[in-house]
Amino acid sequence: TQLLEQSPQFLSIQEGENLTVYCNSSSVFSSLQWYRQEPGEGPVLLVTVVTGGEVKKLKRLTFQFGDARKDSSLHITAAQPGDTGLYLCAGANNDMRFGAGTRLTVKP
Amino acid sequence: NAGVTQTPKFQVLKTGQSMTLQCAQDMNHNSMYWYRQDPGMGLRLIYYSASEGTTDKGEVPNGYNVSRLNKREFSLRLESAAPSQTSVYFCASVWSGQLNEKLFFGSGTQLSVL
Repeated sequence: TQLLEQSPQFLSIQEGENLTVYCNSSSVFSSLQWYRQEPGEGPVLLVTVVTGGEVKKLKRLTFQFGDARKDSSLHITAAQPGDTGLYLCAGANNDMRFGAGTRLTVKP
Repeated sequence: NAGVTQTPKFQVLKTGQSMTLQCAQDMNHNSMYWYRQDPGMGLRLIYYSASEGTTDKGEVPNGYNVSRLNKREFSLRLESAAPSQTSVYFCASVWSGQLNEKLFFGSGTQLSVL
């Protein structure tokens, strides 16, 4: 079993729609990160959340860290085809562990 | 500034062969990680090195060895490759701040073991 469970595993939506993906764990993390990965490349960091209840916005992306620092969500407003990719969450304690990811496809 | 460089990009091995995956970073980071990525499994940590001269096991260390040759380089060795080690391997270099870390990834090595 994964330390971090991400849902949904796959998501296919039309351009302009809103979506939320989730990252859940039974473990508490000192920080949680979201990465985006495109085919043939390594993941690239989008955001780090550190404080329980923290909300960070990055243009159309909103990230939230749960109060207990065990879970997080990523909300995308008015999705665009350029948002297509694999979204990975990662929790930090002594090392960095990743979830399996949500593969998002945004159709024009 | 190259960031994190992994070699080779592609490799095909026969069962039982050995090979070393190379990783080098030019950002003067202390920590480096090796992950493998398989469909539906995400990135799983194989080994990590918190500083030059130290290494620790991650989630899936069996069948692998690592060497932190110096601050720049962190290599991953498969002594006797098995088909279960077919995967994409990523090396990451870690910037550590007071409250958080940021991982910088290489572009990966796609390994097939026949």
